Amino acid sequence: DAKTTQPTSMDCAEGRAANLPCNHSTISGNEYVYWYRQIHSQGPQYIIHGLKNNETNEMASLIITEDRKSSTLILPHATLRDTAVYYCIVKDTGNQFYFGTGTSLTVIP
Amino acid sequence: GAVVSQHPSWVICKSGTSVKIECRSLDFQATTMFWYRQFPKQSLMLMATSNEGSKATYEQGVEKDKFLINHASLTLSTLTVTSAHPEDSSFYICSASTGAEKPFYTFGSGTRLTVV
Repeated sequence: DAKTTQPTSMDCAEGRAANLPCNHSTISGNEYVYWYRQIHSQGPQYIIHGLKNNETNEMASLIITEDRKSSTLILPHATLRDTAVYYCIVKDTGNQFYFGTGTSLTVIP
Repeated sequence: GAVVSQHPSWVICKSGTSVKIECRSLDFQATTMFWYRQFPKQSLMLMATSNEGSKATYEQGVEKDKFLINHASLTLSTLTVTSAHPEDSSFYICSASTGAEKPFYTFGSGTRLTVV
């Protein structure tokens, strides 16, 4: 079962930073936080993941709070092509990924 | 790297017929693959975990006799929707575990099934 909660939807102006929050208050010490996004009618695309430290790659930054109970995905300069549903996933001790409801991000021109 | 190919991308079938969807890992071996179903405006729901050379593990509420999964090789898993009905119309997505930390899962592009 999904172990994360995210806002249902968010808007962001094109060119501005998009900050997508995620709560995972029951996360355990060895569980990673993963972020994927799904553009309409496509398969999910990997964005970034982390355990404790903040992470950055060419797509985004991931900020994880010190207590690991929440995290924020940051798209530094949102473009129209970033409009998608963003999923925050905590992988449990099993092998499976369970998706929550995600956040529908709309980038506005 | 870590590309998963899913075929077909869309299919229309008549009620009562069966449909097979293929999921291939193109540049890596996947001992474990996963099948999801997604209804419009909903999230992905895990249906089953497919392990190479053994029986699939189905999530609660998913009929194993209706959704047949075969994972006969390290690069191919198939999902067969048997005796399809209109309520089976959905977006089916497979994913594969790369065995590496990044990205742990790679997803196919999905198959849009419409049962008429």
